[in-house]
Amino acid sequence: GNSVTQMEGPVTLSEEAFLTINCTYTATGYPSLFWYVQYPGEGLQLLLKATKADDKGSNKGFEATYRKETTSFHLEKGSVQVSDSAVYFCALSDHANDYKLSFGAGTTVTVRA
Amino acid sequence: EAQVTQNPRYLITVTGKKLTVTCSQNMNHEYMSWYRQDPGLGLRQIYYSMNVEVTDKGDVPEGYKVSRKEKRNFPLILESPSPNQTSLYFCASRGATEAFFGQGTRLTVV
Repeated sequence: GNSVTQMEGPVTLSEEAFLTINCTYTATGYPSLFWYVQYPGEGLQLLLKATKADDKGSNKGFEATYRKETTSFHLEKGSVQVSDSAVYFCALSDHANDYKLSFGAGTTVTVRA
Repeated sequence: EAQVTQNPRYLITVTGKKLTVTCSQNMNHEYMSWYRQDPGLGLRQIYYSMNVEVTDKGDVPEGYKVSRKEKRNFPLILESPSPNQTSLYFCASRGATEAFFGQGTRLTVV
């Protein structure tokens, strides 16, 4: 079956530091890959996505590249802000069931001023 | 504005007392689903629905029921809640390009 593994947190950073959250996946075929963000007290919001190999998703200064050869979709941001403090989830959907999302465990990121 | 609305946001109940968590979406999506979020486990799908009157089990369906009588509503029913169902629950509605999530319902069963 499908599975997503992401680095465990929590991660604590200073403002303007570089953030990377590793995500690897196991899936049949060629899944679509997503990063969702959950701000405190809120539901999940789509941060970025990539639907095929070598695609790069980007939004709000965050980037992730779909790497088929390493089955990875690592999230990066060059200079984090306090407002980036949140829980980040890596997820995939495969083409057999395009609507179902399989999530990683989530990584809590705290950015200190 | 695209919205998924869940109610209640917080609920404390006792073991065995039936409860319903409501979910409504205003995007005319056919696909809706329920997830539970537990520390270290991420989100796990409980049930999903491909359309009105079409529902199916997700990965962790035991102890839950759902119904889909109208396209916009997808309530989650716990007939006899137990403490192991204490969790944070999310309803989601999926369109062609992305899923939209409700704000969550934090359920505590004592």
